[in-house]
Amino acid sequence: QQQVKQSPQSLIVQKGGISIINCAYENTAFDYFPWYQQFPGKGPALLIAIRPDVSEKKEGRFTISFNKSAKQFSLHIMDSQPGDSATYFCAARGNEKLTFGTGTRLTIIP
Amino acid sequence: GAVVSQHPSRVICKSGTSVKIECRSLDFQATTMFWYRQFPKQSLMLMATSNEGSKATYEQGVEKDKFLINHASLTLSTLTVTSAHPEDSSFYICSAGLAGGREQFFGPGTRLTVL
Repeated sequence: QQQVKQSPQSLIVQKGGISIINCAYENTAFDYFPWYQQFPGKGPALLIAIRPDVSEKKEGRFTISFNKSAKQFSLHIMDSQPGDSATYFCAARGNEKLTFGTGTRLTIIP
Repeated sequence: GAVVSQHPSRVICKSGTSVKIECRSLDFQATTMFWYRQFPKQSLMLMATSNEGSKATYEQGVEKDKFLINHASLTLSTLTVTSAHPEDSSFYICSAGLAGGREQFFGPGTRLTVL
């Protein structure tokens, strides 16, 4: 199974709040789990990524939590800002290929 | 960081014509390049993987004779959409990876509209 399931489909968070996006996978051979941010009409940009032997990684306001036994990982955006409004994709790498989640449209309101 | 460019950024063509999209790694040599397709409000779907000097590997359901991929050098890959039809209208995105690296560096995308 190469599928990566992502939720929620859309998310509205108040400025300063925490945005949480979740992903789940089936293939235990995946070896790298990146998160991408995409603005309309642009290519995706890497936000943060994690390997399966690490349970948490933090870079600035962005944190990935990884649960290997549950085959789930999540992105937390702390102190969410209007500039964070974008579509976020989780992905998983296997056989050098990336499989993307379905995307979450995040809107940060004042 | 590693930069990937695409040209053109947008193209409009008539049905039946062919369109070529270029993907370049500007400051690194990319052993592998990937081509994705993204329909509005949908995720990225991998179309094919190309390695320099060898034939591209296409994903299931992608017509190799319609989407011609050439990876002539370590910094350039091209995607040619042959005999384009309106249903080929989409956002095409390339990415490039380093040998032994996990990360893919994405280009800005090319918006193709077929009339």
